[in-house]
Amino acid sequence: IAGITQAPTSQILAAGRRMTLRCTQDMRHNAMYWYRQDLGLGLRLIHYSNTAGTTGKGEVPDGYSVSRANTDDFPLTLASAVPSQTSVYFCASSVSPANTGELFFGEGSRLTVL
Amino acid sequence: AQSVAQPEDQVNVAEGNPLTVKCTYSVSGNPYLFWYVQYPNRGLQFLLKYITGDNLVKGSYGFEAEFNKSQTSFHLKKPSALVSDSALYFCAVGPPNDYKLSFGAGTTVTVRA
Repeated sequence: IAGITQAPTSQILAAGRRMTLRCTQDMRHNAMYWYRQDLGLGLRLIHYSNTAGTTGKGEVPDGYSVSRANTDDFPLTLASAVPSQTSVYFCASSVSPANTGELFFGEGSRLTVL
Repeated sequence: AQSVAQPEDQVNVAEGNPLTVKCTYSVSGNPYLFWYVQYPNRGLQFLLKYITGDNLVKGSYGFEAEFNKSQTSFHLKKPSALVSDSALYFCAVGPPNDYKLSFGAGTTVTVRA
């Protein structure tokens, strides 16, 4: 079934550790995004990529990095995790810019930083 | 800067009654507006969007939304709610020629049998 696959589904992590959340899509979409979801705050954009080889900063990029080596993969890395990065992380993709096309979301990765 | 406000954290309705979820927005230029739904422990799913044209937009699962430029609103509606409509609903806005959407905080809808 076509879509977005995120891994891991859930992770508990000690503060200061490095963590990479994986995201793979098989729809050949140009654009990919990482959002974090926090209660009362909705979804906030962390980083985005409008095509392979390019990335951009979203609303809350500090403490996170991304890469887009190819069309399908868009990993999110926390270089040194802090408790405030405890959240549910969603990867999404779209054929065209997000504001003209539908976003397709993964099932999410729940991260707890202790 | 763009932003979205969903003034109600929760909406409770009885099955069969009309459902309205409110959304107001702020954006420079013409807005591109979206509604998404999230079921428990799942990712968001697209419901509908307004880009241009008719102010009443129809989407998935019998939902519709009305764009009101003077009130800067984009309320989501369903004439007859179902228990299965119980979920978290997000409004989102994006300006033209931009890859980024801004989401509201979400409204939890509970439809009681």
